[in-house]
Amino acid sequence: GAGVSQSPSNKVTEKGKDVELRCDPISGHTALYWYRQRLGQGLEFLIYFQGNSAPDKSGLPSDRFSAERTGESVSTLTIQRTQQEDSAVYLCASSFRSRYLSARADTQYFGPGTRLTVL
Amino acid sequence: AQSVTQPDIHITVSEGASLELRCNYSYGATPYLFWYVQSPGQGLQLLLKYFSGDTLVQGIKGFEAEFKRSQSSFNLRKPSVHWSDAAEYFCAVGTTYSGGGADGLTFGKGTHLIIQP
Repeated sequence: GAGVSQSPSNKVTEKGKDVELRCDPISGHTALYWYRQRLGQGLEFLIYFQGNSAPDKSGLPSDRFSAERTGESVSTLTIQRTQQEDSAVYLCASSFRSRYLSARADTQYFGPGTRLTVL
Repeated sequence: AQSVTQPDIHITVSEGASLELRCNYSYGATPYLFWYVQSPGQGLQLLLKYFSGDTLVQGIKGFEAEFKRSQSSFNLRKPSVHWSDAAEYFCAVGTTYSGGGADGLTFGKGTHLIIQP
């Protein structure tokens, strides 16, 4: 089966414009995660979905950031009124989240990312 | 809140030599621990993970890591590196899944591995 896919792979936008980033998780994975990776930095956790519910949005950097997910499939991360500091690679991951501890649970599989450049 | 420290930003190793990448974590309970590798232009690939049980974990590409609770460490090792191992390596910690909580992984800032011929 296919891995996690993200689109677009690259996005260049002007400051102040809105952007939408898309993530298609691995089929059957109930959990979906968004991360941001700034140049030379580790990954910064943004938000998590279990199904289409996001229990904790406190990782989103500002109210310009929002995310939604349709069922247990596609998710979109929207950044409104983009700023230059939003320039980063945005990574999506998915996992099979089980109630029980198992070797399958909570291993996150990452997509290739979307490189966002805000001019 | 949990945290991860990778003390070495860059490491240079000769091809064929052994490798150890350091990772220290901070978390009050039993953590989930991961090592991921990121090659240029590639996504993150899982090398290995520790959830419970045997503290020496074997991964892909000949890598292994040892969980040492007393030192809060999860160092990555490989007995003999290959030029293709040149990449960025990330250690990450996840909190113990309670069945009700939800959170992402906390990553270290990464170690850039350079292989000398």
